[in-house]
Amino acid sequence: ETGVTQSPTHLIKTRGQQVTLRCSSQSGHNTVSWYQQALGQGPQFIFQYYREEENGRGNFPPRFSGLQFPNYSSELNVNALELDDSALYLCASSFGLLGLAGGGTDTQYFGPGTRLTVL
Amino acid sequence: GIQVEQSPPDLILQEGANSTLRCNFSDSVNNLQWFHQNPWGQLINLFYIPSGTKQNGRLSATTVATERYSLLYISSSQTTDSGVYFCAVGDTGNQFYFGTGTSLTVIP
Repeated sequence: ETGVTQSPTHLIKTRGQQVTLRCSSQSGHNTVSWYQQALGQGPQFIFQYYREEENGRGNFPPRFSGLQFPNYSSELNVNALELDDSALYLCASSFGLLGLAGGGTDTQYFGPGTRLTVL
Repeated sequence: GIQVEQSPPDLILQEGANSTLRCNFSDSVNNLQWFHQNPWGQLINLFYIPSGTKQNGRLSATTVATERYSLLYISSSQTTDSGVYFCAVGDTGNQFYFGTGTSLTVIP
């Protein structure tokens, strides 16, 4: 059983550019959630994808978008990068929709993160 | 959204000491998890515990959902326990909220 993987590990972009981050979910999981963690803070929920559809979104603007593929891997896209987008981006996989599945099946397992720096 | 507050914000322990970390949340939840974030940023799931009590080795957790709090107990702390501990909760609106974290340093 493979764990959650993310790529790239580190990324440097300039303001106004676009970036795509990738996440492969743990084997057997069908839900991927994305989080932004600024330095010294807790992770902030961006959105989750369940069976290829966005299902639940935090307080992030539309320039943050995502995709989930039939194999349940996922991408996070951020357009028109701003300096404040510099952060650690974490993805987590689980089985079942967060908040509804219950019973421990929606335990989240996190990847190692992608550190994005916007200059 | 749900407010999640953790206390204390910082904790320094001598190796071998015990500690209790607290998580208060502002509304009903149907998902509560405790995580440990190591110095390299990796988040490790410790417990899925929307209610009740669980134990795993030196760690145990209790959630009293009706009173909207959860406690994480660490016994006989080791230097490898250092890092940031997060409580996170999920609501029926398919959102997930992390707390402010407790930064733990265990000194030998």
